[in-house]
Amino acid sequence: DQQVKQNSPSLSVQEGRISILNCDYTNSMFDYFLWYKKYPAEGPTFLISISSIKDKNEDGRFTVFLNKSAKHLSLHIVPSQPGDSAVYFCAASPFYNQGGKLIFGQGTELSVKP
Amino acid sequence: EPEVTQTPSHQVTQMGQEVILRCVPISNHLYFYWYRQILGQKVEFLVSFYNNEISEKSEIFDDQFSVERPDGSNFTLKIRSTKLEDSAMYFCASKTPGGTLTYEQYFGPGTRLTVT
Repeated sequence: DQQVKQNSPSLSVQEGRISILNCDYTNSMFDYFLWYKKYPAEGPTFLISISSIKDKNEDGRFTVFLNKSAKHLSLHIVPSQPGDSAVYFCAASPFYNQGGKLIFGQGTELSVKP
Repeated sequence: EPEVTQTPSHQVTQMGQEVILRCVPISNHLYFYWYRQILGQKVEFLVSFYNNEISEKSEIFDDQFSVERPDGSNFTLKIRSTKLEDSAMYFCASKTPGGTLTYEQYFGPGTRLTVT
């Protein structure tokens, strides 16, 4: 089941620069997308989300872009800070699913170097 | 800030034994979930629970698994006869029923289950 894919297992960025994490999906029934951040030995922490009726959502240093025609979304972190080093998961929820289950990608490990 | 809590943080059990993983969701949330993450793999949905019944379950959630909300605060996952392949991190999550934050689920810190 590869409905949500994060093709880059890792990303290394210099402090102060932009981090761009990518996510692709195959199911056109997804109508809501979320990004979670996860530190080792902790649960995923909600970061930012976007509805399929929008193409951009911004919250402080974090911006999520959605390209529905390409079935692609990305998370931009500007400027990147060492504390941003974590695993980032993209997740999607299908509109027909009243229970609201989330389908996760494999995660991308971000390392922000001072 | 309210948070989801889970106990125990680590559970070691022998194959064939029953385990109960416990969760206390955020108090005003009405949807509850269990997910698991096998080491090195993605986070996988197991089950969703609303209004005292299962809303949806995945193929992983077979007859060996059950969930319960025994009182107004706890939400439990029971595995009746554990297998080696049940070894994973189990996450509980909860969310509110509506409003602009309908989709965001809030996760607990997880219980690491090790089956020997």
